[in-house]
Amino acid sequence: GESVGLHLPTLSVQEGDNSIINCAYSNSASDYFIWYKQESGKGPQFIIDIRSNMDKRQGQRVTVLLNKTVKHLSLQIAATQPGDSAVYFCAERNAGKSTFGDGTTLTVKP
Amino acid sequence: KAGVTQTPRYLIKTRGQQVTLSCSPISGHRSVSWYQQTPGQGLQFLFEYFSETQRNKGNFPGRFSGRQFSNSRSEMNVSTLELGDSALYLCASALAGGAGELFFGEGSRLTVL
Repeated sequence: GESVGLHLPTLSVQEGDNSIINCAYSNSASDYFIWYKQESGKGPQFIIDIRSNMDKRQGQRVTVLLNKTVKHLSLQIAATQPGDSAVYFCAERNAGKSTFGDGTTLTVKP
Repeated sequence: KAGVTQTPRYLIKTRGQQVTLSCSPISGHRSVSWYQQTPGQGLQFLFEYFSETQRNKGNFPGRFSGRQFSNSRSEMNVSTLELGDSALYLCASALAGGAGELFFGEGSRLTVL
């Protein structure tokens, strides 16, 4: 079946450092891979996505890398800020259904 | 543009009761999906509706059901509540449903006693 997993449940970084959050997926048929950020008391919020035919996509301070050979997805956050502290979920989307990983809690230390 | 609105935000029920949760998607969005979020299981897909038709369904028992109205608003119902149904129920809308991002509401937190 489908599953999406994250390598680490928690990640702690110093403010200003770069953060890398990793995710492994199993469904090769997924159309899109998406990263969401969830702050306490809120629903997940879209950060960035990448189509399955791409291997890199950049946004504002964020980069998503997709390695289909090893079924690995990563989210890189440049110059991490305290406001980046949240739970980050990767998700794969296929035909209207999204399957989410377990989430990585990112803590940014001032 | 207003975001996804879920009601009620919090509710407490007892075992055996039933509950109905409501979701109003972003205007123009025709796809609505529901997720259950618990600390132990993360975000689990319940079902997705598009143009009043259930298009996808997750691995939940038949006690969990939903529907979508002609104005794209959606409801989900859980009958014969169990303690394990305590969770945050999240609704998400999307333009067409096949691709692109989901826009989540803030969720309905259900506690079953």
